[in-house]
Amino acid sequence: EAQVTQNPRYLITVTGKKLTVTCSQNMNHEYMSWYRQDPGLGLRQIYYSMNVEVTDKGDVPEGYKVSRKEKRNFPLILESPSPNQTSLYFCASSLYQGTHGYTFGSGTRLTVV
Amino acid sequence: TQLLEQSPQFLSIQEGENLTVYCNSSSVFSSLQWYRQEPGEGPVLLVTVVTGGEVKKLKRLTFQFGDARKDSSLHITAAQPGDTGLYLCAGPNTGTASKLTFGTGTRLQVTL
Repeated sequence: EAQVTQNPRYLITVTGKKLTVTCSQNMNHEYMSWYRQDPGLGLRQIYYSMNVEVTDKGDVPEGYKVSRKEKRNFPLILESPSPNQTSLYFCASSLYQGTHGYTFGSGTRLTVV
Repeated sequence: TQLLEQSPQFLSIQEGENLTVYCNSSSVFSSLQWYRQEPGEGPVLLVTVVTGGEVKKLKRLTFQFGDARKDSSLHITAAQPGDTGLYLCAGPNTGTASKLTFGTGTRLQVTL
């Protein structure tokens, strides 16, 4: 089944403890992206990647890192999480840039206390 | 930054009614996408419209892209409870198509 898989689905952590949210897609898509979704603010793009080793900042990149060492994987790293990073995170992938839609993962609900 | 405004924000209707959701911008978009998101899940792509004036139908859902490619609408005929969800429009930023801007969303509830 074609899909984007995120792990974990739920995570509660403490301020400052480094964490990684994994994302993997099995569709051989070149484009991958991370979003956060917050009440009243909607979906905002954190980082995106156009291919292996090619990444760029979205609208809200502060406090996040990404890497794209393999085509299928695009992990999101929070080096020192803070409470304002409590949010619902989505990874997404797309075959083509722009005109084709994204396939989204099921989301990771992160709480930083 | 290109913005997408959706209206209405909330819509509560009864089964069988028709409705229209709007997605507007002051900027031109090369294409627009529509997604539906259910609670606790990621958005699911419904359709992509590319050509100004384009109309696409997906069963009871009709999507239209404005002639100037600055707006789009989603019309649902004879709504059903299964149509309940958050409807989002999204478009690629001019010059950086990998940056996708999402609309503010329309939350639809369809009751029996």
